[in-house]
Amino acid sequence: TQLLEQSPQFLSIQEGENLTVYCNSSSVFSSLQWYRQEPGEGPVLLVTVVTGGEVKKLKRLTFQFGDARKDSSLHITAAQPGDTGLYLCAGASDYKLSFGAGTTVTVRA
Amino acid sequence: DAEITQSPRHKITETGRQVTLACHQTWNHNNMFWYRQDLGHGLRLIHYSYGVHDTNKGEVSDGYSVSRSNTEDLPLTLESAASSQTSVYFCASSAYTQLETQYFGPGTRLLVL
Repeated sequence: TQLLEQSPQFLSIQEGENLTVYCNSSSVFSSLQWYRQEPGEGPVLLVTVVTGGEVKKLKRLTFQFGDARKDSSLHITAAQPGDTGLYLCAGASDYKLSFGAGTTVTVRA
Repeated sequence: DAEITQSPRHKITETGRQVTLACHQTWNHNNMFWYRQDLGHGLRLIHYSYGVHDTNKGEVSDGYSVSRSNTEDLPLTLESAASSQTSVYFCASSAYTQLETQYFGPGTRLLVL
């Protein structure tokens, strides 16, 4: 059972465009994390959001945690080819993470 | 620098054979995890450990076992490999609080023929 639903599953855009990835759940998590994974490597943490309504910015990436701490979004402004990868959201509970299926983002030059 | 390593990186085995995947971390982390990653399913938790001699089942534990005899290592054993266990396996570790980052190894690609 997938506790976290990510959408869309695939996203292909032109360099310079904006994109948003969504992560939704019916469960409440103590925190929510976003990871980025490149082919042949393990996921790498981008950000952790803890407080409902929290917004964090990491250069061109903006992460938002929903007020009810059940959903989150990742927005990339002016995407670049280096942003290409698999983006995974993960909800934390009891020291464990439950992952969404991931969104594969391709940014074309 | 602290790191987490997995071996082998690639493995081909036959149905019915026992296979052990190694995971070693030098972060001195209490928590260690094993996941499998398949298309359309993301990362699914197989087993996890919160410390030496502690092991727990995750959501897809059938056919797998782990043991934790020291802080650094959590080997994953497939008792009798099945074709359904063809996957990419990731090991991860984290410190003792649930807000801590999980650090992932580079993965082991396993093919069961």
